[in-house]
Amino acid sequence: AQKVTQAQTEISVVEKEDVTLDCVYETRDTTYYLFWYKQPPSGELVFLIRRNSFDEQNEISGRYSWNFQKSTSSFNFTITASQVVDSAVYFCALTRGTGRRALTFGSGTRLQVQP
Amino acid sequence: SQTIHQWPATLVQPVGSPLSLECTVEGTSNPNLYWYRQAAGRGLQLLFYSVGIGQISSEVPQNLSASRPQDRQFILSSKKLLLSDSGFYLCAWSLPVGTAQRAFFGQGTRLTVV
Repeated sequence: AQKVTQAQTEISVVEKEDVTLDCVYETRDTTYYLFWYKQPPSGELVFLIRRNSFDEQNEISGRYSWNFQKSTSSFNFTITASQVVDSAVYFCALTRGTGRRALTFGSGTRLQVQP
Repeated sequence: SQTIHQWPATLVQPVGSPLSLECTVEGTSNPNLYWYRQAAGRGLQLLFYSVGIGQISSEVPQNLSASRPQDRQFILSSKKLLLSDSGFYLCAWSLPVGTAQRAFFGQGTRLTVV
């Protein structure tokens, strides 16, 4: 069975602070994919990143960066110099590399960026 | 380009009434289709997924059912709504099995059962 844990229910920071959202996953598959989605107040899920289990390179996209560590089964997400527009619920998710491809989501982390 | 349409955006229904939420995808063929539910303040739970017309897998026993009458149409239904069916329902699609792709989500339906 697969499981995704986002232990941080809610985080509040002041604008321009850096913030890291934690994600820990469990899977028995050797091939799998990890995702981060952003859910703004409108409710729609916005795709941020996909990472496969064979690629442990960290990735940076503008103010966003992701740290994937198989040794600790973690896929953490850092926002540098946070902005009010970053306020949203962020979900980490996992899917198998073969067979059933439905996403298993974590419970989400609500990020509030105060001006 | 591919698009996904989900309607209605909001719905208020009395307990015991039927439900029908519709989702259609454009610009792709034979997609995998999914229905997720997000209860207030919680994560997303997979309800149903489909890999083809008439092929529906249910993830959790519940008061809901799903159907896929056409390749790019996915319908979520209930004969009699319960208060516990309230939540935010999201339809999603992804490319077929064999390609590891992201899921694309609709804009969601906020259902309130009163």
